[in-house]
Amino acid sequence: EAQVTQNPRYLITVTGKKLTVTCSQNMNHEYMSWYRQDPGLGLRQIYYSMNVEVTDKGDVPEGYKVSRKEKRNFPLILESPSPNQTSLYFCASSLVPSSYEQYFGPGTRLTVT
Amino acid sequence: AQSVTQLDSQVPVFEEAPVELRCNYSSSVSVYLFWYVQYPNQGLQLLLKYLSGSTLVKGINGFEAEFNKSQTSFHLRKPSVHISDTAEYFCAVSSKFSGGYNKLIFGAGTRLAVHP
Repeated sequence: EAQVTQNPRYLITVTGKKLTVTCSQNMNHEYMSWYRQDPGLGLRQIYYSMNVEVTDKGDVPEGYKVSRKEKRNFPLILESPSPNQTSLYFCASSLVPSSYEQYFGPGTRLTVT
Repeated sequence: AQSVTQLDSQVPVFEEAPVELRCNYSSSVSVYLFWYVQYPNQGLQLLLKYLSGSTLVKGINGFEAEFNKSQTSFHLRKPSVHISDTAEYFCAVSSKFSGGYNKLIFGAGTRLAVHP
């Protein structure tokens, strides 16, 4: 089944404790992206990747890192999480960067205390 | 720069009643338009899209939307809603970004609550 998977689905952590949220797609998509969803703000792009080893900042990149060492994986790293990073996170992918349709993962709900 | 405004944050409606979720966008270039639905505790699912051609587009689950270029709107409609339509709905626009990819810009979302 073609899909985007994220792990973990739920995470509660404390301020400053490094964490990684994994994202994997099995559709051989070139383009991958991370969003955060906050009430009243919709989804905002954090980082995106046009292909392996090619990443760039989105609209709200502060406090986040990403890497794209393999085509299928695009982990989101929070080196020192803070409470304002409490949010719902979505990974998405599309066949090529110019594709108009993106496929979304199920989301990861992160709480930072 | 593009932006999307969803005019209602919440829309309560009774089952079998019609519903319209409003979306306006601003852009200086041609855009693609989308509606996504997010059911409770799930990811986003594409409901329908407008790329070109007929301004009335039909999507899944009986939803349709009409692209109005002069009013820069893309309102979502359903003639008769079901309890199962209770979800959050996001309008989004996409256009070629300077980096050569299609960037999705989302509205804030409209929470549709269908009551029996």
